Amino acid sequence: QQPVQSPQAVILREGEDAVINCSSSKALYSVHWYRQKHGEAPVFLMILLKGGEQKGHEKISASFNEKKQQSSLYLTASQLSYSGTYFCGTEGWNNDMRFGAGTRLTVKP
Amino acid sequence: EAQVTQNPRYLITVTGKKLTVTCSQNMNHEYMSWYRQDPGLGLRQIYYSMNVEVTDKGDVPEGYKVSRKEKRNFPLILESPSPNQTSLYFCASSPGGGANTEAFFGQGTRLTVV
Repeated sequence: QQPVQSPQAVILREGEDAVINCSSSKALYSVHWYRQKHGEAPVFLMILLKGGEQKGHEKISASFNEKKQQSSLYLTASQLSYSGTYFCGTEGWNNDMRFGAGTRLTVKP
Repeated sequence: EAQVTQNPRYLITVTGKKLTVTCSQNMNHEYMSWYRQDPGLGLRQIYYSMNVEVTDKGDVPEGYKVSRKEKRNFPLILESPSPNQTSLYFCASSPGGGANTEAFFGQGTRLTVV
């Protein structure tokens, strides 16, 4: 089953913060986060491999709660370049990958 | 330059006419996979391959075939395309033997089946 992302879409002003959530009904072995700009291929942001792991990438960070089978992506002080669709992906026990439906983030000046 | 190359980028075909979308990577990656992307559904995995001669079904394998005869190539074959296979297709590769590493995506192939 595909992980569930929320919200489906969010509109921000430059400098505002956002949180994107990803939850799964299955046990998670790893959580991946990607960003896709319109008309382009998805681009890797980060992977979280262990429950409780947190990672950061400039002003974008993520957490992974293995027990709750959830991950959250945090975007702070958003910039125009953050606009795009964010996908979480979860790895299954047999190395298959499932992605959520995506969260469309729009940052306005 | 390290990259995943898909061809063609755009394809319009008729129902039932066999087609192949090629995918090649120059990073010596072991893991390769195919996805289709449809509005509101995100990326759905079609097939994946852990290494040469090893392929497995993803979430939506019906109507597709793949092969992995060489490490660098992972073609996607539609033996008898139908309109419901109209979609945007992405090939991706990852180092290591599993999915728990960064995936590099090709630029996509937009397929229309009429």
